[in-house]
Amino acid sequence: GAGVSQSPSNKVTEKGKDVELRCDPISGHTALYWYRQSLGQGLEFLIYFQGNSAPDKSGLPSDRFSAERTGGSVSTLTIQRTQQEDSAVYLCASSLWGYSNQPQHFGDGTRLSIL
Amino acid sequence: DQQVKQNSPSLSVQEGRISILNCDYTNSMFDYFLWYKKYPAEGPTFLISISSIKDKNEDGRFTVFLNKSAKHLSLHIVPSQPGDSAVYFCAASVYNNNDMRFGAGTRLTVKP
Repeated sequence: GAGVSQSPSNKVTEKGKDVELRCDPISGHTALYWYRQSLGQGLEFLIYFQGNSAPDKSGLPSDRFSAERTGGSVSTLTIQRTQQEDSAVYLCASSLWGYSNQPQHFGDGTRLSIL
Repeated sequence: DQQVKQNSPSLSVQEGRISILNCDYTNSMFDYFLWYKKYPAEGPTFLISISSIKDKNEDGRFTVFLNKSAKHLSLHIVPSQPGDSAVYFCAASVYNNNDMRFGAGTRLTVKP
């Protein structure tokens, strides 16, 4: 399909392990966002990539979180030494340009559960 | 710091009636507002938007109203259909700013 693709759809891991979440944005979209949604909460902005510019990491909750975007396309969100409070749905979105008046297209998310 | 609030976690409406979902914001710099709809196990999908230069935007059964003085917006769905049952997120941003803030969502149930 032509939508945003995220993998895995579900991930269960033990506390203290590292996890990698992947996002394939829509082809041609230069802007890519990561959000997380904890139970009963809204979408929390994590990080934003726009083309080859330095990413906006202002939403990352701790230095255990990092993200890369290779070749301006696929992105990987890495969480090191996972904690139980990291359990959430992690959503990736992309848009044509990085202007906020453009709707973002979301993937179906990765549901992360930390035991 | 919740700059966008959806105070009703859930709403139940009879099919054919109007659904009104509300959203309040605190940041007066916000000038662009969106509504997203989310079905279980899927990502949010864009529904409708409004910029601060307008007070109303309509798209079929969906209308968004913006009251800047009250820092309030609402989404009206008329007539409501069972397929509208989903979680609706309100979002707000400052133009040309990466940081879009989302509310916690309102779960709408439309009963046949």
